[in-house]
Amino acid sequence: NAGVTQTPKFRILKIGQSMTLQCAQDMNHNYMYWYRQDPGMGLKLIYYSVGAGITDKGEVPNGYNVSRSTTEDFPLRLELAAPSQTSVYFCASSWGQESYEQYFGPGTRLTVT
Amino acid sequence: GNSVTQMEGPVTLSEEAFLTINCTYTATGYPSLFWYVQYPGEGLQLLLKATKADDKGSNKGFEATYRKETTSFHLEKGSVQVSDSAVYFCALSDRLGGTSYGKLTFGQGTILTVHP
Repeated sequence: NAGVTQTPKFRILKIGQSMTLQCAQDMNHNYMYWYRQDPGMGLKLIYYSVGAGITDKGEVPNGYNVSRSTTEDFPLRLELAAPSQTSVYFCASSWGQESYEQYFGPGTRLTVT
Repeated sequence: GNSVTQMEGPVTLSEEAFLTINCTYTATGYPSLFWYVQYPGEGLQLLLKATKADDKGSNKGFEATYRKETTSFHLEKGSVQVSDSAVYFCALSDRLGGTSYGKLTFGQGTILTVHP
């Protein structure tokens, strides 16, 4: 049981480039989330999904896109990378109700220069 | 909107010292409250939770009590170990007239370093 996996672990992008951060879970969770973690700022929600084909914006969605074609996968797309997107990105999944814990992946450290 | 405020860090303690990390929250509904821990180079993992007022969450010697009257969820441990060195995040998930879809609002995190 791998839990939540993310690839890549590290990536350096040039300004204006695009990339997709991959996230997969094998716990059959319907709910999945993308967060970014900036130093000293906690985690902020970018996008979330309540099931295959259903996604919605979180607190900081600008500059990102998501899709959810299967229960297992929830990729995050960065178009036209900007230095402000330098951050650590975490994917998480859960059963979704407010009392349930979220399971986090190990994170992707992204630098945009 | 919802918000979580944690005490400023970093916190540096000697082994076997008593730990308190303060957390207060603002929520419009009936939140569940969580403490997550992040060890170096890893993702977050749940440490403990409480889902209603006066509930006490506990795990690995850590405790926190959901205090609705003071809107607080302070984390405590009676005797810390070097292995407790990590970043601790307080978080809430609010149910307002339905479901929040489990979305979490996090505090800024508190870095804890424990020396032998």
